Amino acid sequence: QVQLQQSGPGLVKPSQTLSLTCAISGDSVSSNNAAWNWIRQSPSRGLEWLGRTYYRSKWYEDYAASVKGRIIINPATSKNQFSLQLKSATPEDTAVYYCARGRTAAGSFDYWGQGSLVTVSS
Amino acid sequence: QSVLTQPPSVSGAPGQRVTISCTGTRSNIGAGYDVHWYQQLPGTAPKLLIYANNIRPSGVPDRFSGSKSGTSASLAITGLQAEDEADYYCQSYDSRLSGSIFGGGTKLTVL
Repeated sequence: QVQLQQSGPGLVKPSQTLSLTCAISGDSVSSNNAAWNWIRQSPSRGLEWLGRTYYRSKWYEDYAASVKGRIIINPATSKNQFSLQLKSATPEDTAVYYCARGRTAAGSFDYWGQGSLVTVSS
Repeated sequence: QSVLTQPPSVSGAPGQRVTISCTGTRSNIGAGYDVHWYQQLPGTAPKLLIYANNIRPSGVPDRFSGSKSGTSASLAITGLQAEDEADYYCQSYDSRLSGSIFGGGTKLTVL
């Protein structure tokens, strides 16, 4: 059974970097048939896919256009986890953030983390 | 505003059948990309309900079914139960945006 456990601060100051980590059990971040995603949910933006990292003989990342240039998703193979960094945070980035496992770019997300409420406020 | 359009709310009495629509465009559902459906109970993460248009993951009751045609998809729930009261979201892929997209969600009320 795959489990995703999220961790990270719940409060971030404007202009700082929002950082979250997702620890994986029951699968490997280096799996050749999985992709590791970050998705957020807010009342104003609904569910929004942010990006993913995946390994297919080498590491790849895909990012949503809405956050490209501010986002980094990194795998941490020794810890079997992956992370989200969202730079220059604004109050608009306040949301519940989820990590989730997918398979392909157009595929579904079959396992989700528990969610992390991150508030961007001074 | 979400790329995929869902009705904000639907309702039905216990035992009845309801459907939730998900309308896209030629760059997502109409381009042939699969549609997936999620159920979200209050305070919890979305749970995969239907994937690849009409396939139920193990453990999902057969009261839930999905279909897709043209630029739209639908989720049908038969034999409504009180525990089905939740928010439902559709998801697909958009070639113009080069990423996954979600519908705005539909709140199901069991009367």
